[in-house]
Amino acid sequence: GENVEQHPSTLSVQEGDSAVIKCTYSDSASNYFPWYKQELGKGPQLIIDIRSNVGEKKDQRIAVTLNKTAKHFSLHITETQPEDSAVYFCAASRSSNTGKLIFGQGTTLQVKP
Amino acid sequence: DGGITQSPKYLFRKEGQNVTLSCEQNLNHDAMYWYRQDPGQGLRLIYYSQIVNDFQKGDIAEGYSVSREKKESFPLTVTSAQKNPTAFYLCASSIGLVAGWNEQFFGPGTRLTVL
Repeated sequence: GENVEQHPSTLSVQEGDSAVIKCTYSDSASNYFPWYKQELGKGPQLIIDIRSNVGEKKDQRIAVTLNKTAKHFSLHITETQPEDSAVYFCAASRSSNTGKLIFGQGTTLQVKP
Repeated sequence: DGGITQSPKYLFRKEGQNVTLSCEQNLNHDAMYWYRQDPGQGLRLIYYSQIVNDFQKGDIAEGYSVSREKKESFPLTVTSAQKNPTAFYLCASSIGLVAGWNEQFFGPGTRLTVL
């Protein structure tokens, strides 16, 4: 069935360094790839998304890249800050489907001051 | 949390009791979703609804039930048949497939604990 694998499960970086989280999806028909940030005890917040008609998208310190051939996509956070510490989830979906998102297992990012 | 409210934030229930979790949205979204999140895991889809008076089972629907009588409301009932109900429950909504996009916006969640 449809599956999204996310790595690493935990990531610790020094403030100011970059962080990269990678996801691989199984459904080649997937065409929408959002990333969510979840703080402790709260609901996930959409931080960036990308559709299959583009290879890269950037929003300030956050960027997402998509490789459709390899079926993987990545989240890049530059100049990390302590407030970036949270759990990050990737997901995949196809607009011709029911709108269902298939989520990765999550990455706990810790940014050390 | 973008116009999606879930209540209560914390819920305690005794084993064998049914309990209903509330989810309301004022975003005029057609589609609504319920997810379950367990510690250290991703989100798993319980039920979803693309339009009023219609809903479908997700990946882990057993022991749960829903209704969608109003566009803005999608309550989830955790029944006594759910073997391991203690979890963090998240409700989400999206504009719907008519618009062609899938962005889902999440509520703050309800943490259910079975005593």
